[in-house]
Amino acid sequence: QSVLTQPPSVSGAPGQRVTISCTGNSSNIGAGYDVQWYQQLPETAPKLLIYGNNNRPSGVPDRFSGSKSGTSASLAITGLQAEDEADYYCQSYDSSLSGSRVFGGGTKLTVL
Amino acid sequence: QVQLVQSGAEVKKPGASVKLSCKASGYSFTTYVITWVRQAPGQGLEWMGCISASNGITKFAQKFQGRVTMTTDTSTNTAYMELRSLTSDDTAVYYCAREQISARFDYWGQGTLVTVSS
Repeated sequence: QSVLTQPPSVSGAPGQRVTISCTGNSSNIGAGYDVQWYQQLPETAPKLLIYGNNNRPSGVPDRFSGSKSGTSASLAITGLQAEDEADYYCQSYDSSLSGSRVFGGGTKLTVL
Repeated sequence: QVQLVQSGAEVKKPGASVKLSCKASGYSFTTYVITWVRQAPGQGLEWMGCISASNGITKFAQKFQGRVTMTTDTSTNTAYMELRSLTSDDTAVYYCAREQISARFDYWGQGTLVTVSS
């Protein structure tokens, strides 16, 4: 059972917009800690997609955006493309677990 | 450019130990933390712990405390992670990653597959 909760799967057609939620509690997201999002393509290492809740590293298309409110965060992908099909993970810091870094369980995005 | 290159795949028997390496290049090694994350087959990402490359201070997930050791060698810019008393549940791909401020992992190694089987 992951500390951060994500839907197991989402799907959308090319060109559509999808969102992936990440729900935490008052010890992690709700405590004000930053949320990161990672994209993991099949058989590859995860890649940092969003950091500090809503910042994109250099090279990440602006089709990807992040937001945070209260004890939850969201990743939005607009103009969905076939190459966006991947697993997406949220990640934060949890003060109740001796400074542990925590991940969501991951969401499989299928482009229809 | 920043690179983290991990050691090759390992096959171990139950009860054994495994020591993985993660060689960093392209940045000042001692300025950052190295974190270790694992991923069992078909499962999600699991944070194991981290080590400061500047002072060797470690922090581990409760699940691994007492069974994991993390070290660094600043002369070779290499981080190591040793996991003991292996069981089949430890079969996974193990990743090292550079940890930035606010606990974000901005660069990742390619991963090392550890298979535990009798």
